[in-house]
Amino acid sequence: NAGVTQTPKFQVLKTGQSMTLQCAQDMNHNSMYWYRQDPGMGLRLIYYSASEGTTDKGEVPNGYNVSRLNKREFSLRLESAAPSQTSVYFCASSEGEQYFGPGTRLTVT
Amino acid sequence: DQQVKQNSPSLSVQEGRISILNCDYTNSMFDYFLWYKKYPAEGPTFLISISSIKDKNEDGRFTVFLNKSAKHLSLHIVPSQPGDSAVYFCAASVDAGTYKYIFGTGTRLKVLA
Repeated sequence: NAGVTQTPKFQVLKTGQSMTLQCAQDMNHNSMYWYRQDPGMGLRLIYYSASEGTTDKGEVPNGYNVSRLNKREFSLRLESAAPSQTSVYFCASSEGEQYFGPGTRLTVT
Repeated sequence: DQQVKQNSPSLSVQEGRISILNCDYTNSMFDYFLWYKKYPAEGPTFLISISSIKDKNEDGRFTVFLNKSAKHLSLHIVPSQPGDSAVYFCAASVDAGTYKYIFGTGTRLKVLA
């Protein structure tokens, strides 16, 4: 039982490049989330998906898109990366309290 | 506008003593609160929660207190252990059923051996 997995663990992008962060959960949870964590800012919600087939914006959605591919997988896409998107990204799933993945550390130069 | 605030960025406590981590909130509609612990290079892990219908919830060495009139909750760790050294986030929800939470900025706890 792996819980919530995220790939990649680390990524360096140049400004303007695109990439997709992958997240999968094996707990059969309906709800999934993407957060970013920045120093002094805590965890801020980017997008969430209350169930398969639905997605909604969180607190900081600009510059991101998401896809809820199926019940297990929820991906986050940066179409044109900017230095302001340098952060640690966490995926989570929930049927109550949230279970988090190990994070992806993204640097945009 | 920070709806969930943790005003102490860091806290140091001697091993065996009590650690008290505080959290304030501004939205009186919040009705479910949680604490998460985060070690470096790992994702946050759930620690303990409390519903607004209670004022205390206990789980082993961890107790969460809720003061709705003051819009304040606290996490007590007794006795503190070096393995408790981590960043602690409080989080709040307007509806436990939505599972959507607003997180505070975190408090880094260091337990000194």
